Amino acid sequence: SQQGEEDPQALSIQEGENATMNCSYKTSINNLQWYRQNSGRGLVHLILIRSNEREKHSGRLRVTLDTSKKSSSLLITASRAADTASYFCATRLGTLQGAQKLVFGQGTRLTINP
Amino acid sequence: GAGVSQSPRYKVAKRGQDVALRCDPISGHVSLFWYQQALGQGPEFLTYFQNEAQLDKSGLPSDRFFAERPEGSVSTLKIQRTQQEDSAVYLCASSLRAGIAKNIQYFGAGTRLSVL
Repeated sequence: SQQGEEDPQALSIQEGENATMNCSYKTSINNLQWYRQNSGRGLVHLILIRSNEREKHSGRLRVTLDTSKKSSSLLITASRAADTASYFCATRLGTLQGAQKLVFGQGTRLTINP
Repeated sequence: GAGVSQSPRYKVAKRGQDVALRCDPISGHVSLFWYQQALGQGPEFLTYFQNEAQLDKSGLPSDRFFAERPEGSVSTLKIQRTQQEDSAVYLCASSLRAGIAKNIQYFGAGTRLSVL
């Protein structure tokens, strides 16, 4: 079963607006990552935030992490049609060599309307 | 190579057939992962290799699933006696090193398996 849940499951906004997606997870983590998946394609890494960080920026992306609430949010500012995709949060549970896997949420399907 | 390459991109199998899915990771990447993604869901971990060693196969759903990476590069995921519930996209990912928490995984485009 998957680690967490994402909210909303689907989001449709107008081009230029900001999009916010939320992710909750269940167990202690080493880091949390966000990935984007265009239809029929593989996942592309967007941003990583470590468990001791609270906020991180990359271009039009802003990620926050609240470990006390076991939640994270991804904000995409000034959205573009090309941002239309599914977005997944993924948690890395540990640093041991055996604990390498990512545990994904169910994803948010984002549609940007021109 | 430029990225993670998976083949075939699409595979249709009759129930009961065996299938083999191939993954070519980025050259020099030590770690290789297989994930299964059902329609409308996030990827779920199947198995992990560090070089040729399979260090974690906890996500393989049954003994019909088998993965190998004999020379520490190309990997094959084999599914024996396919069932309809095996229909999914199978994603392969690789990362440069092992044991580093901030390692980014690079994903291939996946193989979409449909079992009829």
